[in-house]
Amino acid sequence: AQKITQTQPGMFVQEKEAVTLDCTYDTSDQSYGLFWYKQPSSGEMIFLIYQGSYDEQNATEGRYSLNFQKARKSANLVISASQLGDSAMYFCAMRGPRGSYIPTFGRGTSLIVHP
Amino acid sequence: DAGITQSPRHKVTETGTPVTLRCHQTENHRYMYWYRQDPGHGLRLIHYSYGVKDTDKGEVSDGYSVSRSKTEDFLLTLESATSSQTSVYFCAISETQKLDSYNEQFFGPGTRLTVL
Repeated sequence: AQKITQTQPGMFVQEKEAVTLDCTYDTSDQSYGLFWYKQPSSGEMIFLIYQGSYDEQNATEGRYSLNFQKARKSANLVISASQLGDSAMYFCAMRGPRGSYIPTFGRGTSLIVHP
Repeated sequence: DAGITQSPRHKVTETGTPVTLRCHQTENHRYMYWYRQDPGHGLRLIHYSYGVKDTDKGEVSDGYSVSRSKTEDFLLTLESATSSQTSVYFCAISETQKLDSYNEQFFGPGTRLTVL
């Protein structure tokens, strides 16, 4: 069975600082994918970034990057130069195993960016 | 943005009444999902569909049923609403798993349901 663990229920960061949101995972599959989604207070879920298990480079999308450490089974999201609009819930998720289309979500981390 | 709409966006109902939520997509994606989101629980899967008339249960399916008669529509029915079903409900879609695709989910705007 797959499992996603986000151990930080809440995080605070100063505007313009970088912040790391933790995500650890467990799976017996060799091929898997990891996602991060953002949910602002308005409620919509927004896809941010994806990392495939065979990708040699850490994924980056603008100010978002993924610190992927396969041996540690961690896929931490790094947000550089935090902005007030980054205040939101962030969810880590894993693509379902081969033959299954059901992703596994973590419980989320609430990020508050202070001015 | 993926074309996913949910209706209604807000609903207040009474215990014991049936409620149907609708998810409509214009992306022709094969997979559709219903989640509920509650504080401290994250997203929990209720039901999902992998094609027209093909549905299966998720981890919190008791008290819910679904139907998918067309690719674009996925209905969630609370057969007899209870206060414990007060929640925010999200519909999501994704495409077939392809080797060159992320297969990320796209989410609808959510429906806030209150059962009194």
